[in-house]
Amino acid sequence: EVQLLESGGGLVQPGGSLRLSCAASGFTFSSSAMTWLRQAPGKGLEWVSAITGSGTNTLYADSVKGRFAISRDNSKNTLFLQMNSLRAEDTAVYYCAKTSGFFDFWGQGTLVTVSS
Amino acid sequence: EIVLTQSPGTLSLSPGERATLSCRASQSLSSNYLAWYQHKPGQAPRLLIYGASSRATGVPDRFSGSGSGTDFTLTISRLEPEDFAVYYCQQYGSSPRTFGQGTKVEIK
Repeated sequence: EVQLLESGGGLVQPGGSLRLSCAASGFTFSSSAMTWLRQAPGKGLEWVSAITGSGTNTLYADSVKGRFAISRDNSKNTLFLQMNSLRAEDTAVYYCAKTSGFFDFWGQGTLVTVSS
Repeated sequence: EIVLTQSPGTLSLSPGERATLSCRASQSLSSNYLAWYQHKPGQAPRLLIYGASSRATGVPDRFSGSGSGTDFTLTISRLEPEDFAVYYCQQYGSSPRTFGQGTKVEIK
């Protein structure tokens, strides 16, 4: 059974940093592309960043480019999202998802609140 | 960037009724790379349909997807109580991946 468990969310001040983690199990993690997505309060789903199985290639939404960094540790089956220079508009539930072009499995999400 | 427009915004129906949800793309999707997801509050989104018409593993056959090019449809043949949720379409043919704004299917 595929399981994805996000952690690391919380309250952070504008300009601050946070590192999200996503622990994966139930599939061959190193062979799977992975994606971070988010949902701001009252809004729809937004693609944030993606990484290939090997970690060689990464992609970012324009809204986070230069501030967020996606990475992975295939030895620990864990995906990361380093978020720097956080803004109020980054407030959202952040999801990690196993990716096959589409997003076939999602975690439950972790809430990030950027506020002073 | 491909913009996906879903309609209607809200669909008010009774259990047992048929639901028809629309998703229109601002440009033709390559290889019909369109997916549909179901999202309930506090839960992980769930993949229902990929490739415009292929059901994901474990998805009941009352869910069906159709369409090509720029116009796509998700049909729920007979609504069950657990089907009341928000539904999103998403394209994965080009970057960035984009979602529609969602259709809420609510109990009438």
